Amino acid sequence: KQEVTQIPAALSVPEGENLVLNCSFTDSAIYNLQWFRQDPGKGLTSLLLIQSSQREQTSGRLNASLDKSSGRSTLYIAASQPGDSATYLCAVKSGSFGNEKLTFGTGTRLTIIP
Amino acid sequence: KAGVTQTPRYLIKTRGQQVTLSCSPISGHRSVSWYQQTPGQGLQFLFEYFSETQRNKGNFPGRFSGRQFSNSRSEMNVSTLELGDSALYLCASSAGQGLNNEQFFGPGTRLTVL
Repeated sequence: KQEVTQIPAALSVPEGENLVLNCSFTDSAIYNLQWFRQDPGKGLTSLLLIQSSQREQTSGRLNASLDKSSGRSTLYIAASQPGDSATYLCAVKSGSFGNEKLTFGTGTRLTIIP
Repeated sequence: KAGVTQTPRYLIKTRGQQVTLSCSPISGHRSVSWYQQTPGQGLQFLFEYFSETQRNKGNFPGRFSGRQFSNSRSEMNVSTLELGDSALYLCASSAGQGLNNEQFFGPGTRLTVL
């Protein structure tokens, strides 16, 4: 059974700093890994999708890496801004064909201090 | 292109009642998945529909059911509501049933069971 862990559960950093969020998963046989952000009471916004054959993806100030063999992914946020404050969730797609599903971590609540 | 829409956004029901939630995917998307999000359990997969067929199901009781229409819109039904069914219900759409498709989420329906 796939399990996804995100540590730390909460993180506060001053504006302008670079930061790294961590995600680990127990079963390395994944199809892809997706990072999302969720604002309070809202749905999920997709940030980056990394296919299992890829090592990293970049979008603006965000960079996500994937090390499938060690079951780890990181989300790097450069030059953080107050608008980056949200909960960040990673999710991995795994399972046999026809039975694949997304398994989510419990998230990291990020607060950027102005 | 319009995003995933969900109606209603908020619902208040009492124990024993039933409820139907609706999800309209992004135009052209044929796969719709449903998730339940609670503070205690996080995000959990309910089921996935593709071309009007349920192709995958999570570990939820039979009180949770769904369907998909020919226009890809999907509905989720919960019968005999329990207090523990209070949650944010999210639906996500993707272009197809391919393993590597990115999932896009709607804003969610907040269900409160009294």
